[in-house]
Amino acid sequence: SQQGEEDPQALSIQEGENATMNCSYKTSINNLQWYRQNSGRGLVHLILIRSNEREKHSGRLRVTLDTSKKSSSLLITASRAADTASYFCATDTLNNNDMRFGAGTRLTVKP
Amino acid sequence: DGGITQSPKYLFRKEGQNVTLSCEQNLNHDAMYWYRQDPGQGLRLIYYSQIVNDFQKGDIAEGYSVSREKKESFPLTVTSAQKNPTAFYLCASNRGAINTGELFFGEGSRLTVL
Repeated sequence: SQQGEEDPQALSIQEGENATMNCSYKTSINNLQWYRQNSGRGLVHLILIRSNEREKHSGRLRVTLDTSKKSSSLLITASRAADTASYFCATDTLNNNDMRFGAGTRLTVKP
Repeated sequence: DGGITQSPKYLFRKEGQNVTLSCEQNLNHDAMYWYRQDPGQGLRLIYYSQIVNDFQKGDIAEGYSVSREKKESFPLTVTSAQKNPTAFYLCASNRGAINTGELFFGEGSRLTVL
């Protein structure tokens, strides 16, 4: 079963706009991570947020985590055409190292 | 350079045949994972291994088998019992244990059953 569910499933924006993607999960977690996948390739790690953290920044990325709502959001600011990809959240559960992914958000940034 | 190597990149198989996908890492990672991805979908966990000679079933283990005889290697066999094996298969690794950090992925193996 999928642990995380992203929404929206697809998002199309203009270059320079901000993109927000959301992830909800079902069980208590250790960490939540966001990954990016270009079509037909492996995934690349973007950012990790621990269960005791509420917000984290990395360059143009901002991630928030609300453990009471079991949800996270990924904000990409000042988007570029090169940001076009699928974005996935992944979680691992307490006392385990099972990494499970959501269904992903497909982001298209139009030049 | 350190990383994860999956082979073959593309594989064609006739129905009823077993096929083994290779995954090798030189990152000295303890944990390794296999995921299946169908078109336009997310990743589903097949098997994972936290240490040599040990592995656990994920959510869709039926029709698949793995071994972890060496730290560097985690091959996946897609057996004839897997009813719909055509998919993109991704291998990943991380340091293992609790609070382990990011996964490193290979470039994937695309299996097509003819």
